[in-house]
Amino acid sequence: EAQVTQNPRYLITVTGKKLTVTCSQNMNHEYMSWYRQDPGLGLRQIYYSMNVEVTDKGDVPEGYKVSRKEKRNFPLILESPSPNQTSLYFCASSFLLPGSPLHFGNGTRLTVT
Amino acid sequence: QKEVEQNSGPLSVPEGAIASLNCTYSDRGSQSFFWYRQYSGKSPELIMSIYSNGDKEDGRFTAQLNKASQYVSLLIRDSQPSDSATYLCAVNMGQGGKLIFGQGTELSVKP
Repeated sequence: EAQVTQNPRYLITVTGKKLTVTCSQNMNHEYMSWYRQDPGLGLRQIYYSMNVEVTDKGDVPEGYKVSRKEKRNFPLILESPSPNQTSLYFCASSFLLPGSPLHFGNGTRLTVT
Repeated sequence: QKEVEQNSGPLSVPEGAIASLNCTYSDRGSQSFFWYRQYSGKSPELIMSIYSNGDKEDGRFTAQLNKASQYVSLLIRDSQPSDSATYLCAVNMGQGGKLIFGQGTELSVKP
């Protein structure tokens, strides 16, 4: 089944404890992206990647890191999480063709205390 | 001015009515337009895509695109309570796979 898989679905952590949210897609998509969604603010892009070893900042990159060592994987790293990073996170992927829709993972609900 | 704008709602319609959701965008060079449905706490789900001016129908859903006026709309006929969700408009402004999302319109269909 074609899908974007994120793990974990729920995560509660404490301020400053490094964490990684994994994202994997099996559709051979070139483009992958991370979003966070907060009430009243909509979907905001954190980072995106157009190919292996090519990553770029989105609208809200502060406090996050990403890597794209393989085409299928695009992990999101929070080196020192803070409470303002409590949010619902989505990974998404697509082909690079202009008309290609984004396919979303199921989301990760992160709480930082 | 926001790049993609939607009324946040909530938009409330009775069951069986037509729900009309609107979206405007700022970049005249935009090429691809998408409507996603998102239930609370769930991931966005693609329901329609449209690329050229005019209407595109898929079951109870019709997407309408007017590039001259820079708006795209979604009509839901025979609305059902299960259609209650937030509808996100997304626009590809030609930057590879990058989509710009509107804030979403919350739709409530009352039985």
